[in-house]
Amino acid sequence: DAGVIQSPRHEVTEMGQEVTLRCKPISGHDYLFWYRQTMMRGLELLIYFNNNVPIDDSGMPEDRFSAKMPNASFSTLKIQPSEPRDSAVYFCASSESQGLGNTIYFGEGSWLTVV
Amino acid sequence: GDSVTQMEGPVTLSEEAFLTINCTYTATGYPSLFWYVQYPGEGLQLLLKATKADDKGSNKGFEATYRKETTSFHLEKGSVQVSDSAVYFCALKIGTYKYIFGTGTRLKVLA
Repeated sequence: DAGVIQSPRHEVTEMGQEVTLRCKPISGHDYLFWYRQTMMRGLELLIYFNNNVPIDDSGMPEDRFSAKMPNASFSTLKIQPSEPRDSAVYFCASSESQGLGNTIYFGEGSWLTVV
Repeated sequence: GDSVTQMEGPVTLSEEAFLTINCTYTATGYPSLFWYVQYPGEGLQLLLKATKADDKGSNKGFEATYRKETTSFHLEKGSVQVSDSAVYFCALKIGTYKYIFGTGTRLKVLA
């Protein structure tokens, strides 16, 4: 089975531009997570969805960030306008809800540089 | 609150040395415990997991035992290889969705 698929893998953009990151979770998984990874702050949970509904967005840094999940197989994370401090690796991950030891599966990440 | 504490890195070892990366946790309830590995330029991959006390997770020569009495889940490998160089994350899961990750420990193995 295909894993979590993210695009683009790498993006370099200018400050002020809109950035859209895309994610396709593993089929059948009903939880989807967006994480951000930086050297300074490590791995931070930004938002997560259950059955396409945003459940907790308390980790979204500010109003410039928004996330959507229009259907079970697609999600986007948008930054508008982007700033240099948004430079980071953004990971999408998914998991099933059943069972205690359910694993969270990560995509390969979108490496964002804002100049 | 719930948290995971890992030993600070980087950890530098010679090939075939014994590896231990310490991980302790604080959690309400009965968490599941995980070790993830991140190779350069890649996402996090599950290395092993344990779902209840005294369970031992193992994979690729790595192992970790869920110790409820010491709230620990230390990662060990008897003989590391250069290819094991990566960042290792300890994590816990509470309930259905709540995952908490440690800050990661970078391992560098020298030939």
